[in-house]
Amino acid sequence: KNEVEQSPQNLTAQEGEFITINCSYSVGISALHWLQQHPGGGIVSLFMLSSGKKKHGRLIATINIQEKHSSLHITASHPRDSAVYICAVTSLTGNQFYFGTGTSLTVIP
Amino acid sequence: DVKVTQSSRYLVKRTGEKVFLECVQDMDHENMFWYRQDPGLGLRLIYFSYDVKMKEKGDIPEGYSVSREKKERFSLILESASTNQTSMYLCASGDPYEQYFGPGTRLTVT
Repeated sequence: KNEVEQSPQNLTAQEGEFITINCSYSVGISALHWLQQHPGGGIVSLFMLSSGKKKHGRLIATINIQEKHSSLHITASHPRDSAVYICAVTSLTGNQFYFGTGTSLTVIP
Repeated sequence: DVKVTQSSRYLVKRTGEKVFLECVQDMDHENMFWYRQDPGLGLRLIYFSYDVKMKEKGDIPEGYSVSREKKERFSLILESASTNQTSMYLCASGDPYEQYFGPGTRLTVT
């Protein structure tokens, strides 16, 4: 049983499309993270949020604590957005992390 | 900016060899983590450490050991590499609630 579930697993979009990746979790959390991993391996943190909504450029992350659900939106998608997006949560105690299996996004020019 | 570095980006080893993967962080974090990442399985925790000389098993510690002699350095050791340990290995360090990842080491065991 995975504490964090993401959907879809794979996503292909045309450049310019609006993209949504979903994340559901089953444990109590202190924070939820959206991570980005480009081919080659390195992981960078896009957002850390515990309530509401955050926006950075064309990326928007939302979280609904009551429903234990988060979404990552990408507006006006671009080929450079092609990457694996990983949802992760931090436990209430702050010392455990649970990861989703990732969503592989390909944006076609 | 937090910097987490790993000793190698790519590594090829033979079955039975002893393998050392090193991770260094420059932010004085107490917490350090080793994960492996496999297609369809996501990130799985191998070992973590909350302090120098302190280690705790994660979800998949079998076949691995770790060493943390200095705060900034956390090493992952494969005592006798096997082909099922071919994977991407990611180190992370962090303060409570957030982690910062290294670039990863892609290990191939032949």
